[in-house]
Amino acid sequence: DARVTQTPRHKVTEMGQEVTMRCQPILGHNTVFWYRQTMMQGLELLAYFRNRAPLDDSGMPKDRFSAEMPDATLATLKIQPSEPRDSAVYFCASVSGSSYNEQFFGPGTRLTVL
Amino acid sequence: KNQVEQSPQSLIILEGKNCTLQCNYTVSPFSNLRWYKQDTGRGPVSLTIMTFSENTKSNGRYTATLDADTKQSSLHITASQLSDSASYICVVSETAGTALIFGKGTTLSVSS
Repeated sequence: DARVTQTPRHKVTEMGQEVTMRCQPILGHNTVFWYRQTMMQGLELLAYFRNRAPLDDSGMPKDRFSAEMPDATLATLKIQPSEPRDSAVYFCASVSGSSYNEQFFGPGTRLTVL
Repeated sequence: KNQVEQSPQSLIILEGKNCTLQCNYTVSPFSNLRWYKQDTGRGPVSLTIMTFSENTKSNGRYTATLDADTKQSSLHITASQLSDSASYICVVSETAGTALIFGKGTTLSVSS
């Protein structure tokens, strides 16, 4: 059945290293979201794209985070350089059409920055 | 400031019992309210979505209510099962339909 996939599922890296997380939205979904989840803050919206165009990335630290959609089947979230405070679970979600519709979340990437 | 507050923060109940989770929000303008269930180690899964005009919506043993006047919602779980153990997250969307404001969730533990 159709689902959002994310890679890698787990990533451990050292401070200062570049981290790239990938998301494959459900085929045909035209809106993709990136979220970060921590125990302290819960889920936070980082950025989202519609029809591959970035619509809002106000939740993202601009100096080190970047999000792109090279094509309709791939969304990437990059952190460079990574810091320990970036340790969290990063979720991608996709939705078809209206934002009223259900967002389907991927399994997440658990990032640990040492 | 747009906020979503959930209570209680955590809850332990016996299998078979009912429970109600609360969500208060200050989001304005309001578009819709969603309840998500998140199992440990997984992404959230939508349970219900309600718009301004909807007062109640059910999904199996889950029933969500919405009072748009008081800006309150509740999620009632009937005849709880062990598999209901999860985090339940209330999410409110602004009228623009894009920005989602998340509550921090209620962690429910159902024990036998």
